Amino acid sequence: GAGVSQSPSNKVTEKGKDVELRCDPISGHTALYWYRQSLGQGLEFLIYFQGNSAPDKSGLPSDRFSAERTGGSVSTLTIQRTQQEDSAVYLCASSPPGGTYNEQFFGPGTRLTVL
Amino acid sequence: AQSVTQLDSQVPVFEEAPVELRCNYSSSVSVYLFWYVQYPNQGLQLLLKYLSGSTLVESINGFEAEFNKSQTSFHLRKPSVHISDTAEYFCAVTLYNQGGKLIFGQGTELSVKP
Repeated sequence: GAGVSQSPSNKVTEKGKDVELRCDPISGHTALYWYRQSLGQGLEFLIYFQGNSAPDKSGLPSDRFSAERTGGSVSTLTIQRTQQEDSAVYLCASSPPGGTYNEQFFGPGTRLTVL
Repeated sequence: AQSVTQLDSQVPVFEEAPVELRCNYSSSVSVYLFWYVQYPNQGLQLLLKYLSGSTLVESINGFEAEFNKSQTSFHLRKPSVHISDTAEYFCAVTLYNQGGKLIFGQGTELSVKP
């Protein structure tokens, strides 16, 4: 079956521009997570959705970062006024209902480069 | 605050040798423990997890990890590695009743040489 998909796979942008990253979770998965993987910081949690609501946004690094999820499915992570330190691989994961210990299924990531 | 420490950033080993990848965590509340693996040019995937019960957990490809509460460790071991085990391995914890967000260690790059 289809796994988690993310688009675009690569994004190069200029400093100061806004970018949108998209995540399509596995059908039926109620929980959706965004993480960021960078050389200096490793893998960091950004935000978590349960359905369309985001009970935990504690990992968003600044108010330039926002995310939404619609229809309990697709999620979009938006970064406004990008900075060079935003360069990283942005990973999305989803997990089925039933508990906080469920396996998270990861997408291939979006590699963001801010020039 | 919770944290995960992977003590080795890189572990080079020869094929068929045993290997141990070390992981320690810090938490004042109960945690669930995971090892995820990232093969070259592939996404992260779950290798094994500890939730409760037997402290020794195994994966389908011969890895095992043992939860040691007193030492707050969850080291990953394999008695004989293959070239195909070359990958980056991440230890992670999630807290009970915290929505499942994973707190990752910095990763250990396992390089298996012939």
